[in-house]
Amino acid sequence: GQGVEQPAKLMSVEGTFARVNCTYSTSGFNGLSWYQQREGQAPVFLSYVVLDGLKDSGHFSTFLSRSNGYSYLLLTELQIKDSASYLCAVSMSNYNVLYFGSGTKLTVEP
Amino acid sequence: AQTIHQWPVAEIKAVGSPLSLGCTIKGKSSPNLYWYWQATGGTLQQLFYSITVGQVESVVQLNLSASRPKDDQFILSTEKLLLSHSGFYLCAWRTGDYEQYFGPGTRLTVL
Repeated sequence: GQGVEQPAKLMSVEGTFARVNCTYSTSGFNGLSWYQQREGQAPVFLSYVVLDGLKDSGHFSTFLSRSNGYSYLLLTELQIKDSASYLCAVSMSNYNVLYFGSGTKLTVEP
Repeated sequence: AQTIHQWPVAEIKAVGSPLSLGCTIKGKSSPNLYWYWQATGGTLQQLFYSITVGQVESVVQLNLSASRPKDDQFILSTEKLLLSHSGFYLCAWRTGDYEQYFGPGTRLTVL
């Protein structure tokens, strides 16, 4: 819904970094959040962004460009346990409705 | 601390049978509550939300209904299950403007 798009898969190497991209339709945008979801489990909230720029939260950082309808989640110093799906969710006009992307499955290899 | 529970953990039901799934949150008064559905390997899709007792708003119905009988309870139901109802049902509550916290979910298989 609302054109939230994410690449299906991403692979990276332990100790390096991974950038998970998300694009969305900009009309009515009022915020974007990121969730981690492991196989068979519920999503876990990671971060949200409202303003343009980079928000550094240590292991996870998030970037937003509202005019371009683009965000990314940056994971640094990757560990094997970071292997999971990462979901982008956009709020449009109504804070009570979230539109999720299909998720990016990140595989971290040794 | 707030805790959110969902019941049952898993359910196997026949096509055409009724369904009732429950969600309870403790430690939070007047929470905004949400129902989501995720087909196996699919995208998480919001179904309903409720900001107060007795009021439920539909986002995508999928032949399901929801009710908020108590401040801390949110119920998802249908009188007749379809095969397409199979999947993972998640309840969530919101803190702040953007942070939603999910319950453990109910895995539904419709045969």
